[in-house]
Amino acid sequence: SAVISQKPSRDICQRGTSLTIQCQVDSQVTMMFWYRQQPGQSLTLIATANQGSEATYESGFVIDKFPISRPNLTFSTLTVSNMSPEDSSIYLCSALVGENTEAFFGQGTRLTVV
Amino acid sequence: KQEVTQIPAALSVPEGENLVLNCSFTDSAIYNLQWFRQDPGKGLTSLLLIQSSQREQTSGRLNASLDKSSGRSTLYIAASQPGDSATYLCAGGDKDQGGKLIFGQGTELSVKP
Repeated sequence: SAVISQKPSRDICQRGTSLTIQCQVDSQVTMMFWYRQQPGQSLTLIATANQGSEATYESGFVIDKFPISRPNLTFSTLTVSNMSPEDSSIYLCSALVGENTEAFFGQGTRLTVV
Repeated sequence: KQEVTQIPAALSVPEGENLVLNCSFTDSAIYNLQWFRQDPGKGLTSLLLIQSSQREQTSGRLNASLDKSSGRSTLYIAASQPGDSATYLCAGGDKDQGGKLIFGQGTELSVKP
């Protein structure tokens, strides 16, 4: 298993500002992901955080809006840029662990944009 | 493109009942199928992982099955308790897609004392 620490756990931000979310895994992992969960919805993948190279974004998500860093095999950040109320969601990081590639998640960051 | 569907969207049962949550997927080339629990406003807790070569996995009162040919997975919860109240999500993994998960919409379970 893996323990994934995510911070902040929640934040209230003004529109037009940016927030950086940090994700720390207690072991080295190859694959890390960032998901968004809008109110009342399921999870949607934003991007795969690649160590040492640019993140791979899913359709509908762009680097300028959601820049991602992955400096090593245990840490990643997601920035939500130029926020609007539509960005109010829970953001979750995830890592695949072990040969069975079981996915583990952080506790999420609840973002409210006012 | 993989699509994952869960039914029912919500379920309310009295304490002690056995229950089944359903998950269906469109692409039988699924690599694995994982069940999660999510409490309100929280992250996801992994419950069971079934590899594509497996038929079922068990953990305590939970049993998950996988039938790739029919594109279905079920999560069986025995002797339900109020503490089981949460949203249950299934997700299909695709190794060819870099291991990313495709999630169903979830089943919101309420177990009444």
